[in-house]
Amino acid sequence: QLQLHESGPGVVKPSETLSLTCTVSGGSISNSFYYWGWIRQTPGKGLEWIANIHYSGSTYYNSSLKSRVTISVDTSKNQFALKVRSVTAADTSVYYCARLDGDYGVCDHWGQGTLVTVSS
Amino acid sequence: DIQMTQSPSTLSASVGDRVTITCRASQDISRWLAWYQQKPGQAPKLLIYKASSLQSGVPSRFSGSGSGTEFTLIISSLQPDDFATYYCQLYKSYSWTFGQGTKVEIK
Repeated sequence: QLQLHESGPGVVKPSETLSLTCTVSGGSISNSFYYWGWIRQTPGKGLEWIANIHYSGSTYYNSSLKSRVTISVDTSKNQFALKVRSVTAADTSVYYCARLDGDYGVCDHWGQGTLVTVSS
Repeated sequence: DIQMTQSPSTLSASVGDRVTITCRASQDISRWLAWYQQKPGQAPKLLIYKASSLQSGVPSRFSGSGSGTEFTLIISSLQPDDFATYYCQLYKSYSWTFGQGTKVEIK
């Protein structure tokens, strides 16, 4: 059974870089049919797509975050990662990693989410 | 960027009610729309993809319809397990956007 698990610091200081890793188990990140992505949710608010990546290295970014965000993949570790630079309090969110179906563009498997708080 | 407008933001209903949630896209997205259910403290769960296809394991009381710019999620007979927040999500040209969400509350 496919599982995704987010890991990373729970607190990041303002102006620093937020770094998260998603470890995929029960399936290969190199399956060409799927994409892998990050979505965040501000406490009490809605969902915001951040970025997606294919194992081949193709990347796709939310235009509103593109200047501060990098997504990467490590097929040898079956992981993909997110970096958000120059964070502010507005980046405080629950960050989810997810698998995206290549045919229908939907998130069919999600991690449990990890809360990242931006605070000094 | 394509905008999604989801309504209503909150809905009060009773067990057994028929519930309708709507999403409107700012431009034609064909049938590239999905619906998710989210309960407090949990990740979203995929219910419907390609506007009207039911994800495996999802009860048949959930259905989706629409194409182009207007889409609907219907719960034919609301069950206690269905009280949650529902989100639509569009996919077009390698861009993904979520609606603002509809919280279904107990009346």
